[in-house]
Amino acid sequence: AQSVTQLGSHVSVSEGALVLLRCNYSSSVPPYLFWYVQYPNQGLQLLLKYTSAATLVKGINGFEAEFKKSETSFHLTKPSAHMSDAAEYFCAVSGSARQLTFGSGTQLTVLP
Amino acid sequence: KAGVTQTPRYLIKTRGQQVTLSCSPISGHRSVSWYQQTPGQGLQFLFEYFSETQRNKGNFPGRFSGRQFSNSRSEMNVSTLELGDSALYLCASSLGDRDRGTEAFFGQGTRLTVV
Repeated sequence: AQSVTQLGSHVSVSEGALVLLRCNYSSSVPPYLFWYVQYPNQGLQLLLKYTSAATLVKGINGFEAEFKKSETSFHLTKPSAHMSDAAEYFCAVSGSARQLTFGSGTQLTVLP
Repeated sequence: KAGVTQTPRYLIKTRGQQVTLSCSPISGHRSVSWYQQTPGQGLQFLFEYFSETQRNKGNFPGRFSGRQFSNSRSEMNVSTLELGDSALYLCASSLGDRDRGTEAFFGQGTRLTVV
């Protein structure tokens, strides 16, 4: 079975500050992990994914995430927040049946 | 190339009615999955169709059903609607191969409101 825990349902950062969104996972098989972003009244857009290759994964819009097996974590970071980054972010794990199990989401607010 | 298209975008139905939602996947994609998104339960997997066959199913009552056509388009049906069925229903398409890392592309969703 798979599960994802996102710590912090709401995160606020100032424009230009570091963005850190936390994700911890549990998986009965080697995990494939994803970060998606959702803007209001929109679907989900893939930011990046980990599929057992490099542990540091770079995605779109300057985001990256590091897979740490010992900590069962896959935290999302961005060095400098932009106003356009304000959205809801979801971490997900793909299980043996290929379905995605999502975390509860983190709403990111970027303050001017 | 065109993305995943879901129709309609918004829908208002009355309790007890039934509803059908439609999803057209990206050309060449053979797998379509459906997810329900609510403020209380978050994103939950409903089912996946591949080559017109249900390949995987989540933990939802039998009122929720789906099908896939030979052109990979999929429909989802909810019968005897309840207030709790109000949600954003998202469709995702993918190639459908066995690779768990294959990317799923999501549509914009159908916002269903049950009154």
